[in-house]
This record gives sequence, structure tokens and C-alpha cells, in this order.
Amino acid sequence: AQKVTQAQTEISVVEKEDVTLDCVYETRDTTYYLFWYKQPPSGELVFLIRRNSFDEQNEISGRYSWNFQKSTSSFNFTITASQVVDSAVYFCALSEPTLMIYNQGGKLIFGQGTELSVKP
Amino acid sequence: NAGVTQTPKFRVLKTGQSMTLLCAQDMNHEYMYWYRQDPGMGLRLIHYSVGEGTTAKGEVPDGYNVSRLKKQNFLLGLESAAPSQTSVYFCASTVQGSSREQYFGPGTRLTVT
Repeated sequence: AQKVTQAQTEISVVEKEDVTLDCVYETRDTTYYLFWYKQPPSGELVFLIRRNSFDEQNEISGRYSWNFQKSTSSFNFTITASQVVDSAVYFCALSEPTLMIYNQGGKLIFGQGTELSVKP
Repeated sequence: NAGVTQTPKFRVLKTGQSMTLLCAQDMNHEYMYWYRQDPGMGLRLIHYSVGEGTTAKGEVPDGYNVSRLKKQNFLLGLESAAPSQTSVYFCASTVQGSSREQYFGPGTRLTVT
């Protein structure tokens, strides 16, 4: 069964600390896509990154970086030098193209979310 | 270009009442989704649509119905609201395929008393 687990329910750090949000997934497919979304206190969901299963290169975007390791089925997210504006709930999600082949619509399976609080 | 919009933003219902949530997108996306968000459970898929005139059940479809009469609109209906349907509802859309990110609406906070 497809599943995404974010074991850290809440994380609290002080500004400028580095923080890593963990994401572990389960899937039967060899081809799949992983996503991270941010939900700030205002409530909207903001897309951060998409990664396909064939691309294991780590990605860096400013203070954000992502580490994808198929061997451990993990797609972890690191924020370097955290800021108060990074306070939000972060969701990891999985999508499987086999569902699309059967015209099942690219459904996203979300983890439970990790609430990050960055204190000044 | 408004992206994905949802109407209403907030609603309070009494048990047994009915209502319809409207989702509209102006990006010409084929796929549309309705999710609900509950504390500690992430987002769970209620229903989705892969094109105009099509709908399918997601993970938690019971108590909800949907319709996609026009490509740009996706309606979520509650025929007889129950307190267990108190939640935040998100609509999303994407171009065809599972490889692309979904664009989310701002959410509708529904309380059933």
C-alpha cells in the first residue's frame, strides 16, 4: 500500500538554526513522484518541490535543500539558517503514475504534516 | 489569472443540512480534486475528476457527492451534514498527469454543529 510517514509532528527551533524534516514513503512502483508543500498560518498550500523517482540528485534552492534516498525510501527537507517566516506546517506527498495509466488521476497521498515553529 | 478559487470561505451548518462547495479554476486544467484536512491526518482525498463529466471516489468519499459539468468547475455536495464532516476542505487542480504539482485553492472551513 502507498503510504507517507512524517514522524515528527512538531519541531521547535530558534532562528538561524538548521532543521531537517523527515519524510519516509512506501510504494510498490518503480516510477513515482514526491512533493513537498508548505502551509503557512494563513492556511493556503504552497508547492515547494517535485522529484521523480529516477532523479536522486539532491536539490538546493536558497536556504532549502532536499535529500532523496531511494535506498531508505526517504525524501528529507532541510532548512538552513531558519527564519521566523519558515514557521508553517510542511507536508510531504507521493503520487504514482500507474494510477494515471488507469486514468485514476494522479492522486496525491499526503503525510500527516510536520508543524515547524521558528522562534526569534 | 485567479488560479483556484473556492466558495464559500467559511460556513456553519446544523446536522442534517445540505450545502454545496464550489471550486473554480481558470488554468484550463483537466484534473481536479477535493481534499479534507483534519488535525494530525494530513490531507485526504474525497473525490476527484480527470475531465469534464467524469468523477471518481477517493479515500474518504462517504457522505459527499461531486459533479464536474464544466471543465473549470468542480462542486462538492454534502446532502446531510454530520459533525464528522467538520473540517477544512481544499480543492486542487493540475494539468493531466501525476507528475505535475497540484494547485490548491484557499480552503473552506466548515463547521457542523
